[in-house]
Amino acid sequence: TQLLKQSPQFLSIQEGENLTVYCNSSSVFSSLQWYRQEPGEGPVLLVTVVTGGEVKKLKRLTFQFGDARKDSSLHITAAQTGDTGLYLCAGATGTYKYIFGTGTRLKVLA
Amino acid sequence: EAQVTQNPRYLITVTGKKLTVTCSQNMNHEYMSWYRQDPGLGLRQIYYSMNVEVTDKGDVPEGYKVSRKEKRNFPLILESPSPNQTSLYFCASSLAFRGDGNQPQHFGDGTRLSIL
Repeated sequence: TQLLKQSPQFLSIQEGENLTVYCNSSSVFSSLQWYRQEPGEGPVLLVTVVTGGEVKKLKRLTFQFGDARKDSSLHITAAQTGDTGLYLCAGATGTYKYIFGTGTRLKVLA
Repeated sequence: EAQVTQNPRYLITVTGKKLTVTCSQNMNHEYMSWYRQDPGLGLRQIYYSMNVEVTDKGDVPEGYKVSRKEKRNFPLILESPSPNQTSLYFCASSLAFRGDGNQPQHFGDGTRLSIL
């Protein structure tokens, strides 16, 4: 079974701080998506990374796909309270399945 | 409005009583999927469908059935629910499964099932 481990599981920081969330696997994925989920709602896509070594920026969020396409990271610069939520990574496999990470629950304090 | 609609949003039922959770999308998407979300385990894929009449098992299919008779609908069936199926369930759809491309999954708002 393919697994995606996210770390940390929980993160509580002050507004303005930087943070990095990691998503690691021993398996290769054809692409990797990052989602954010708010309470009572389904996950919403933030970004998809496809090429090994790819870096994508979405305002204060920077996403990186590992060279070997087995891992990814999400870096948030100068976190805001609006960044609070559950962050999920999801890898697309070669067998038409998605494997989701265990999630990182981020709380940004004012 | 483009959306994935799940019903019911909440259900409390008893062991062994068959239930169906409906899922409908209005985006003409080919790929649809069911997930369950449990604390500390993230989302786990139960079943997926590449298109009408094409379904396959995800990572945790035991105790569940699905069907895809029409493109827009993908119901999840629990023939004999048990307490270990108490969970938060999400249906999702995407235009197609493009592992090498930008095909976001659109999720419904979830169905919280409690099986006593």
